[in-house]
Amino acid sequence: AQSVTQPDARVTVSEGASLQLRCKYSSSVTPYLFWYVQYPRQGLQLLLKYYSGDPVVQGVNGFEAEFSKSNSSFHLRKASVHWSDSAVYFCAVRIASSSFSKLVFGQGTSLSVVP
Amino acid sequence: EAAVTQSPRSKVAVTGGKVTLSCHQTNNHDYMYWYRQDTGHGLRLIHYSYVADSTEKGDIPDGYKASRPSQENFSLILELASLSQTAVYFCASKAFSYEQYFGPGTRLTVL
Repeated sequence: AQSVTQPDARVTVSEGASLQLRCKYSSSVTPYLFWYVQYPRQGLQLLLKYYSGDPVVQGVNGFEAEFSKSNSSFHLRKASVHWSDSAVYFCAVRIASSSFSKLVFGQGTSLSVVP
Repeated sequence: EAAVTQSPRSKVAVTGGKVTLSCHQTNNHDYMYWYRQDTGHGLRLIHYSYVADSTEKGDIPDGYKASRPSQENFSLILELASLSQTAVYFCASKAFSYEQYFGPGTRLTVL
């Protein structure tokens, strides 16, 4: 069964530092992968997605992610974080059948950016 | 950009009471979803729909019903609310692309 694991429940980084949030997926086929961000008391917003092609995908607000088939990973990165990046980040994989598709989410990583 | 709205934004319900959560989208998306989010966990799929007047069970449908009276509207119904249904509920919609667009969520507290 396809699944997603985010091994870090909480991450704290200093403002201006680089960031990596980890995501591991389990899938028998090349998956469609997503990163969503949830700001406090808001819904989820799509940061970026990977369907195929270049394994490094760019998203909004300077975020990027790299797909690795050999490592079954889709880690999220940012070169320099800002306090406004504090939020919960979810990795998700699309599961599809002949008639339906759905997203399966990881547990989320809560990011705190400190001065 | 997709617009998905939910009402109410928060609700306190009593155990055994009936609760209806509403979702409205304005972008002609065929697919709509209901998820619940528990503290420290990701989202889990409760019900979904890909056409009006039809709903399907997701991964955790027990204790929930859904209704899709039109393409724009999708409701989640708790006939007999229980303490374990305290959570944040999100509605989402999707067109043929793979991206889902989420509403702001409804915080439900069952006492």
